Amino acid sequence: AQSVAQPEDQVNVAEGNPLTVKCTYSVSGNPYLFWYVQYPNRGLQFLLKYITGDNLVKGSYGFEAEFNKSQTSFHLKKPSALVSDSALYFCAVRDRAGGGADGLTFGKGTHLIIQP
Amino acid sequence: DADVTQTPRNRITKTGKRIMLECSQTKGHDRMYWYRQDPGLGLRLIYYSFDVKDINKGEISDGYSVSRQAQAKFSLSLESAIPNQTALYFCATSDPGQGGTDTQYFGPGTRLTVL
Repeated sequence: AQSVAQPEDQVNVAEGNPLTVKCTYSVSGNPYLFWYVQYPNRGLQFLLKYITGDNLVKGSYGFEAEFNKSQTSFHLKKPSALVSDSALYFCAVRDRAGGGADGLTFGKGTHLIIQP
Repeated sequence: DADVTQTPRNRITKTGKRIMLECSQTKGHDRMYWYRQDPGLGLRLIYYSFDVKDINKGEISDGYSVSRQAQAKFSLSLESAIPNQTALYFCATSDPGQGGTDTQYFGPGTRLTVL
């Protein structure tokens, strides 16, 4: 079985400050890891993914995420937050060994609020 | 993502009615998925299809059925809608050939309200 935990329902950050949105995962094998963003009244947009190799993954809109195998974490980061980054962020995991048969498992989401 | 479209975008219906939500994609992907989103619960998988002849139940398939009419079309039906099926429904597609990661791409969602 695979699972994802996003321990924070909401993260508040001042504009211009660095931001971190936390994610931890559990899979029986090795993971593929994803971050998606959802703006109000919109579908989910793909931000970035971890496949293998470099633990620091860069994605859209200046976001990056760091894979830490020992801590089973994949935290989303951005060096300088913008008000337009305010949205709902989802972390998702898939076990590589499953061939996609289990689909993606999503966390419950974290509301990111960037204050001007 | 404009490559994945869902109709209708909003629907209000009454308990006991049969409802069909439709999804179409122009990405050429074989794999398609239906999820529902509830506040505080994230997205949960209802059904998925790896090709036209392959349909699989997800985490919460009870009360739902699907039809894969073609590679590009995947419909979700609520045979007899009930109020706790009020949710935001998303269709998604993926292609395992893109590096094997099976990245999913989502439609804009259908907001369904069952009174």
